[in-house]
Amino acid sequence: DIQMTQSPSSLSASVGDRVTITCRASQGIRDNLGWYQQKPGKAPKRLIYAASSLQTGVPSKFSGSGSGTEFTLTISSLQPEDFATYYCLQHNSYPWTFGQGTKVEIK
Amino acid sequence: EVQLVESGGGLVQPGGSLRLSCAVSGFTVSNNYMSWVRQAPGKGLEWVSVIYTGGSTHYADSVKGRFTISRDNSQNTLFLQMNSLRAEDTAVYYCARGYSGSDRNSDPFDYWGQGTLVTVSS
Repeated sequence: DIQMTQSPSSLSASVGDRVTITCRASQGIRDNLGWYQQKPGKAPKRLIYAASSLQTGVPSKFSGSGSGTEFTLTISSLQPEDFATYYCLQHNSYPWTFGQGTKVEIK
Repeated sequence: EVQLVESGGGLVQPGGSLRLSCAVSGFTVSNNYMSWVRQAPGKGLEWVSVIYTGGSTHYADSVKGRFTISRDNSQNTLFLQMNSLRAEDTAVYYCARGYSGSDRNSDPFDYWGQGTLVTVSS
């Protein structure tokens, strides 16, 4: 199985900060990776697909990059509505696997 | 408007069975691939299963042989039959859509339901 290691597991940041979250795959997954945002009690929401493509309707402050084994999600200027948990998902091979999540909290 | 509405969750004893449903409106289930994703209380997301337009299926190792994904085209509904349930199957179960298109927008998952809670306990 492909292991997805997300870092950090949590972070504290201020409004306006630039935030970067990393996902590392235990083997190459090309660009078969998506990023999801989840708020408490809610379903996840897709932000990025194909590693770097922005989901329609998602603000351009979110961006994704990477290929192979290392991927990043960047929020260019953190806003109050961005405080949530973020997950990566690899769908290159079965079983599909999520990272363990990164909780973004208010400093 | 696209809607996915899960139902069928509840309290079940270890070793018991439960069938979850995901009623869909706004698109045709059989024309897309569909998955179940679960989240144990206070934990992260775990992919459970997928069914493709042609009917092929895949499962997480943790549920293989115990869970079965299926769909009813006439009802436009996705199902998850869960047998031999264990305490570690306790989770909120979400259904989610993968758009079956020719571009990368077909990557998983663009629409999600609100989830249904399954609790396995004696």
